[in-house]
Amino acid sequence: GDSVTQMQGQVTLSEDDFLFINCTYSTTWYPTLFWYVQYPGEGPQLLLKVTTANNKGISRGFEATYDKGTTSFHLQKASVQESDSAVYYCVLEEGNYKYVFGAGTRLKVIA
Amino acid sequence: EAAVTQSPRNKVTVTGGNVTLSCRQTNSHNYMYWYRQDTGHGLRLIHYSYGAGNLQIGDVPDGYKATRTTQEDFFLLLELASPSQTSLYFCASSDAYVYEQYFGPGTRLTVL
Repeated sequence: GDSVTQMQGQVTLSEDDFLFINCTYSTTWYPTLFWYVQYPGEGPQLLLKVTTANNKGISRGFEATYDKGTTSFHLQKASVQESDSAVYYCVLEEGNYKYVFGAGTRLKVIA
Repeated sequence: EAAVTQSPRNKVTVTGGNVTLSCRQTNSHNYMYWYRQDTGHGLRLIHYSYGAGNLQIGDVPDGYKATRTTQEDFFLLLELASPSQTSLYFCASSDAYVYEQYFGPGTRLTVL
């Protein structure tokens, strides 16, 4: 079946650092890809999505490019703030509105 | 604003116990989902549904039943709870074509 891989379990940065969270996916078709963010004590919420290969999604200063060639959907932000501390999930829609989540990357930003 | 509520928020039961987790959405969404969240695994799909009376099997269904009684209500049933089912459970809803899931606040279940 389809799968999503996030190798970084935890990332620790200082404010104003550049953020890069790695995500690769495996599927036999052209999925819709998402990043969800989960703050402590809450359910996940949508950060951004991209439905078309080779397009970029942008939201709240975060961006991710759907790269079909490398099957990647890395999340980036130029300058993180303490309020960005959360868990970030890379997600793939594998058809029929069924979603596959990566293991998540916990971001800690130190002021 | 989209709203998904879950009850109870916390539940403690014993091995072999019978547990029902409830989820209600007021979004008029077609799809509803049950996930479990465990450290190192992210969210894993247990069951989902695209309408009242419909049930689709997810990726980790063993030991769980689910029932969608109305468009708004989706229940997760653990008839013989085991310690391995100790987890944080999330319900979500989404509409076809929008591809955005709205999550509830979660239910923390402990099986002793």
